[in-house]
Amino acid sequence: GAVVSQHPSRVICKSGTSVKIECRSLDFQATTMFWYRQFPKQSLMLMATSNEGSKATYEQGVEKDKFLINHASLTLSTLTVTSAHPEDSSFYICSARDTGLAGNTIYFGEGSWLTVV
Amino acid sequence: DAKTTQPNSMESNEEEPVHLPCNHSTISGTDYIHWYRQLPSQGPEYVIHGLTSNVNNRMASLAIAEDRKSSTLILHRATLRDAAVYYCILRDARGGSNYKLTFGKGTLLTVNP
Repeated sequence: GAVVSQHPSRVICKSGTSVKIECRSLDFQATTMFWYRQFPKQSLMLMATSNEGSKATYEQGVEKDKFLINHASLTLSTLTVTSAHPEDSSFYICSARDTGLAGNTIYFGEGSWLTVV
Repeated sequence: DAKTTQPNSMESNEEEPVHLPCNHSTISGTDYIHWYRQLPSQGPEYVIHGLTSNVNNRMASLAIAEDRKSSTLILHRATLRDAAVYYCILRDARGGSNYKLTFGKGTLLTVNP
């Protein structure tokens, strides 16, 4: 089936630094990708919708200047957490929409654990 | 977004069928019913989706009520690897920003050996 890959799977960064997470669709082109955040024992919270070649659409309450999203190609979207703080520590998950034979099915990456120390 | 209601948790025994219910009384005519599951420390995994008719695939079956106000995900023979949080999500078929999936709390399925 369709595969969406995230990198890195785990990252530890120092408070105040920036960290980038990549999301790639490996066997299909994705004009739309989504970024979620999940805190322990909670459900996934949508942060933003990333559209190839245009600006991302952020959900209410998500700071666009803190969570920079770039979708420069049909197979890659990146999320950069700028000036990270310990409260940004979370499980970040991306998903991508396969518009091919799968009929607009959305597939998820494996997730990326971010720990800010 | 149309909301769904699921039990917080369910328990099953290995090798037995599992029926996971989902209520969606405010579903609209263009909403697809999607099911995803999430194993611990992993991203959600697509399970199945449908619109009006019952659906079967290699993972599960989806039974949709005639009035579409409820549906049931059926795992025919539960295994320990099926232990996960199962999410029932409505997604508008018209697309656009409606391609996004909004997750509720889901049902935590425990499978006993």
